[in-house]
Amino acid sequence: DTGVSQDPRHKITKRGQNVTFRCDPISEHNRLYWYRQTLGQGPEFLTYFQNEAQLEKSRLLSDRFSAERPKGSFSTLEIQRTEQGDSAMYLCASSLVGLTGDTQYFGPGTRLTVL
Amino acid sequence: EDKVVQSPLSLVVHEGDTVTLNCSYEVTNFRSLLWYKQEKKAPTFLFMLTSSGIEKKSGRLSSILDKKELSSILNITATQTGDSAIYLCAVANAGGTSYGKLTFGQGTILTVHP
Repeated sequence: DTGVSQDPRHKITKRGQNVTFRCDPISEHNRLYWYRQTLGQGPEFLTYFQNEAQLEKSRLLSDRFSAERPKGSFSTLEIQRTEQGDSAMYLCASSLVGLTGDTQYFGPGTRLTVL
Repeated sequence: EDKVVQSPLSLVVHEGDTVTLNCSYEVTNFRSLLWYKQEKKAPTFLFMLTSSGIEKKSGRLSSILDKKELSSILNITATQTGDSAIYLCAVANAGGTSYGKLTFGQGTILTVHP
């Protein structure tokens, strides 16, 4: 499968615990995006990388959230001291910026439930 | 702040009906408009529109962009139960470090009854 993959697909944790999600983009894609989606809403932008550089972070991304893409390939999103309001689907997308367009392709998402 | 509004929020039809979904946007620096279909999992790409007035088609689905009216429509003809999903409209930003960032609408929930 050459699409975007995410791990784990589901995560249940207790309030106050730390969680880390992984995203593996389509191999030749240089852009990687993180979004968060809650029930009944469209995805909301969190942050994105071009290669290994993190170029923008949303105001939604509090200090408890951190993302990395150390070698310009896979990315991790860590949430420290989780809160119940963090419960959501965390989506990763990748794209190849270029003349042919930069359509973002999404992974299956990680559904986080904070108890 | 960029904003995307979709209407209607939900729609219930019977198989064979034709539906039109609407998307309007306010973006500081427009690059493209995208439509995605979401069925209880990640959004799957349908169309990317960059030029006004040029219709894109894929089977029973088609979409067109109107840059003057800052809007787009997605048409589905001869609907089938498999078309039941959330249809998401998103606008990509063309400005600086926000280049490519997507702002999504709330989505239209389409339910197609047999």
